[in-house]
Amino acid sequence: DTAVSQTPKYLVTQMGNDKSIKCEQNLGHDTMYWYKQDSKKFLKIMFSYNNKELIINETVPNRFSPKSPDKAHLNLHINSLELGDSAVYFCASSQDQGKVEKLFFGSGTQLSVL
Amino acid sequence: GNSVTQMEGPVTLSEEAFLTINCTYTATGYPSLFWYVQYPGEGLQLLLKATKADDKGSNKGFEATYRKETTSFHLEKGSVQVSDSAVYFCALKDSSYKLIFGSGTRLLVRP
Repeated sequence: DTAVSQTPKYLVTQMGNDKSIKCEQNLGHDTMYWYKQDSKKFLKIMFSYNNKELIINETVPNRFSPKSPDKAHLNLHINSLELGDSAVYFCASSQDQGKVEKLFFGSGTQLSVL
Repeated sequence: GNSVTQMEGPVTLSEEAFLTINCTYTATGYPSLFWYVQYPGEGLQLLLKATKADDKGSNKGFEATYRKETTSFHLEKGSVQVSDSAVYFCALKDSSYKLIFGSGTRLLVRP
């Protein structure tokens, strides 16, 4: 039973389109995250939600909008996709925002913008 | 700002060889330090951690010692196996509840 699951695993789309990536965790954790891994493998935090409340919002274009309908879900919506958005996006969760060192990651969504 | 620098890969070793993956950090204060591992097709998993200077984290035969004087947290294993092939990420936890990751080092172990 997967702890943190994200869909889709692969996403290929054209520039200018709008797409969403979904994430769900069944661990009962309070805090969820979105990370972006670029082509050089750098992994950078984008957003963090704690009990559906946004607590970390890094310098990310406002074309990226996270949505947390409940504490088990954190979806990422991207408007007007650009070539530079191509990356692997990882969802993660932790018991709470103080337990950030014990992150549980999903297996990633590889986004390719053509 | 806070950052983590790892050696570039890939690192290619034969089975049973000794492994070192270098990691240095820049941070204010005394952050907690971590190694995460990403096996093919999977998300990252916490491998080991150290929370203060001179602490040694260990797990699955891997070790890393928190060296304040050299701001380093190098990952070592005495005898690698093919199953250790993965990407290894060094990370630090800063005061704002964020994990800051290095760029990852790919390890390939040949039989």
